[in-house]
Amino acid sequence: GDSVTQMEGPVTLSEEAFLTINCTYTATGYPSLFWYVQYPGEGLQLLLKATKADDKGSNKGFEATYRKETTSFHLEKGSVQVSDSAVYFCALSPTPGANNLFFGTGTRLTVIP
Amino acid sequence: ETGVTQSPTHLIKTRGQQVTLRCSSQSGHNTVSWYQQALGQGPQFIFQYYREEENGRGNFPPRFSGLQFPNYSSELNVNALELDDSALYLCASSLQGSPDTQYFGPGTRLTVL
Repeated sequence: GDSVTQMEGPVTLSEEAFLTINCTYTATGYPSLFWYVQYPGEGLQLLLKATKADDKGSNKGFEATYRKETTSFHLEKGSVQVSDSAVYFCALSPTPGANNLFFGTGTRLTVIP
Repeated sequence: ETGVTQSPTHLIKTRGQQVTLRCSSQSGHNTVSWYQQALGQGPQFIFQYYREEENGRGNFPPRFSGLQFPNYSSELNVNALELDDSALYLCASSLQGSPDTQYFGPGTRLTVL
């Protein structure tokens, strides 16, 4: 079945450090891939997306590239800020246009000054 | 901030009771999905409603049921509550066929004693 495996956390980084959160997926079809972020006390928000192989999603300095050959969608940011502290979820939509999402377990990121 | 609201914020029930959770969708969205997020886990898809009918369901038993109303607000009903039903319940509204338009509410925290 469809699933997402996400890097275990928590992750603690100093401000301006480089961030990578690993995400791999299993899907029977051609999924769309997403990263969601959950800031403290807030609901899930879409951070970025990619709908086909080799697409790169980007937003707020975060990037992730849809790699079909390695079934991966790793999240990266070159220089994290304290305000990036949150829980990050990798997710997939199993087929184009399907509204149901499969989520990973989440990775808590804490950025210290 | 999204236009998706949920009520109540918190709820405590005892095993065997029934509960109803409510969700008000983002204006213009015609699809609502419900997710269960256990502590430390990613959200799990319960079901989805479109045009007031269920049109997708995850691996949840029939005691989880829902309704969608003409104004696109919705309810999640859970009968015969079990201790493992304790979780954060999220609703997400979207446009059918556009998973990247999915806006999440802040959730209802259900505790079953």
